[in-house]
Amino acid sequence: EIVLTQSPGTLSLSPGERATLSCRASQSVRDNKLAWYQQKPGQAPRLLIHGASSRAAGIPDRFSGSGSGTDFTLTISRLEPEDFAVYYCQQYASSYTFGQGTKLEIK
Amino acid sequence: QVQLVQSGAEVKEPGASVKVSCKASGYTFSSYYMHWVRQAPGQGLEWVGIINPSGDTTSYAQKLQGRVTMTRDTSTSTLYMELSSLRSEDTAVYYCARENYLGSGSYLYWGQGTLVTVSS
Repeated sequence: EIVLTQSPGTLSLSPGERATLSCRASQSVRDNKLAWYQQKPGQAPRLLIHGASSRAAGIPDRFSGSGSGTDFTLTISRLEPEDFAVYYCQQYASSYTFGQGTKLEIK
Repeated sequence: QVQLVQSGAEVKEPGASVKVSCKASGYTFSSYYMHWVRQAPGQGLEWVGIINPSGDTTSYAQKLQGRVTMTRDTSTSTLYMELSSLRSEDTAVYYCARENYLGSGSYLYWGQGTLVTVSS
């Protein structure tokens, strides 16, 4: 099983700042089959990025994904108030697993 | 537009079974893989299983093997997930999810979630 480790556990930033979230895999994620989701309290997750770097339909361009192999990054270029939430990475190259999440909170 | 509407919350005693439904609309139901994902209170996301478009092939998370069954009814565009021998650690919100595009493995569409509470 591919284990995904996200860091940091909590990230405290202010609106307008840049956020960088990390997702490290225990083994290489074939074909960059990695996705990122945003989840707000009481809501289902929302797909942001698939294929490590492709934005899902309707996702603002301040969200970008990068990386390959075992190291992946989600970057939010300028934080908006609605971006404060929990973010999960998911790999779908070998079965399906999620990271434990990064909470992005307002500083 | 694509919609996935799940059945309501359930409260079950330990050892019982629960069956959660997910009714799909707005697309051709028999063309996409479907997944179930669960989330225990205050915890992260956990993959439960997958069923293929025709409904004749399933794969489940190893820790749930033998207790979970996924089925789909093409005539009503409804997906089902049954979990048996319930334990307190099965208490979670269960989500159905449709893949982004055929065979993609990421989930663009999600149901609203069904809270299953296991308690005596």
